[in-house]
Amino acid sequence: SYVVTQPPSVSVAPGKTARITCGGNNIGLKSVHWSQQKPGQAPVVVIYYDSDRPSGIPERFSGSNSGNTATLTISRVEAGDEADYYCEVWDSSNNHPVFGGGTKLTVL
Amino acid sequence: QITLKESGPTLVKPTQTLTLTCTFSGFSFSTSGEGVGWIRQPPGKALEWLALIYWNDDKSYSPSLKTRLTVKKDSSKNQVVLTMTNMGPVDTATYYCAHSRPRDGERAFDMWGQGTMVTVSS
Repeated sequence: SYVVTQPPSVSVAPGKTARITCGGNNIGLKSVHWSQQKPGQAPVVVIYYDSDRPSGIPERFSGSNSGNTATLTISRVEAGDEADYYCEVWDSSNNHPVFGGGTKLTVL
Repeated sequence: QITLKESGPTLVKPTQTLTLTCTFSGFSFSTSGEGVGWIRQPPGKALEWLALIYWNDDKSYSPSLKTRLTVKKDSSKNQVVLTMTNMGPVDTATYYCAHSRPRDGERAFDMWGQGTMVTVSS
């Protein structure tokens, strides 16, 4: 089964840029989706298919994917961005989704 | 606008069978490509995919839980039902259903329900 790996935590100061990675073997050949989950709430998709942003998601959220690493970039980080972020990919060999272990973003 | 909502018991006893219902709006299983998945999240832990059901009634299950899971759909009611047998304390979690959207041979969950917390305890 395909495995994706995220760092457990990332810290960033307000106004700076946060980068959260999702690693996997040739993940650049797959589409990666990112969800934000605040405490006590359901996940909300912030980026899908590598770099598409659903309506209502600020332009500060962007995504990229190449080689063995996909990256969620949050520019001009705000306190309200503090949350857990999960990457998701489609394991086409087994026809099912795979989630990363999640990354806790802390805004200092 | 797609919405999904989970419903079911909040407490089940060990060895019992859990039945959860996902009621959705904003899409229909009569449309080719549509899918609904179930995902769970134990307290303080990561998301874990459980099952998917597609517009054509195809289904897929997590390999580690396959023997315990069944997913069905009722297209007339816009509902998807998940059953999980032989529940144990490790199955205590928030259970989510989510809309699965296809593109270029892959799929993505693009909208999630609010989730329902299930505790397994005697």
